[in-house]
Amino acid sequence: GEDVEQSLFLSVREGDSSVINCTYTDSSSTYLYWYKQEPGAGLQLLTYIFSNMDMKQDQRLTVLLNKKDKHLSLRIADTQTGDSAIYFCAEKNGLFFGTGTRLTVIP
Amino acid sequence: DTGVSQNPRHKITKRGQNVTFRCDPISEHNRLYWYRQTLGQGPEFLTYFQNEAQLEKSRLLSDRFSAERPKGSFSTLEIQRTEQGDSAMYLCASSQPGQNYEQYFGPGTRLTVT
Repeated sequence: GEDVEQSLFLSVREGDSSVINCTYTDSSSTYLYWYKQEPGAGLQLLTYIFSNMDMKQDQRLTVLLNKKDKHLSLRIADTQTGDSAIYFCAEKNGLFFGTGTRLTVIP
Repeated sequence: DTGVSQNPRHKITKRGQNVTFRCDPISEHNRLYWYRQTLGQGPEFLTYFQNEAQLEKSRLLSDRFSAERPKGSFSTLEIQRTEQGDSAMYLCASSQPGQNYEQYFGPGTRLTVT
């Protein structure tokens, strides 16, 4: 919704890093989010970043925020097969979601 | 607390019929959200409540859709005169103020309109 854009697919090898990108539109978003959706399961919040931050690290996850370009990224270090899922970014304090990026991790 | 629950989990209806879905949020959460998700798409915002007040409604939401949260606890989403294009997963989420708007999602209600 509201033109939150993500690339549709990403494939990586197990152990490599994954970078999922998102371009959002709402400059008034106080928080921006990353959610994970596994097949047949509900949406699960992975992490979020406050708009006055450039970076947030949470174990294997690193979120980078470029407010000037309205660009958000999620880096997953040491990607595992269990990370295979669809990842959504969300803006406007979580109301508007991107189309999702399907991450496939190749063993 | 077992999280956000939604009922029914699946609903099959004929075109033109009315359907109603229920969402029970996490008990201390005062915000409740409704989304629709179709295959290959992200959740599409429909509406949200703070307590019993409906604070925002998507401009894309047809007049056939109405949501209520009469006592500020559970919520219902009704679709009147269903159309085949209404077939989707309907998701409910709740959040607590002061918690970064972090939303907890329910398992969804899958609607199939035949």
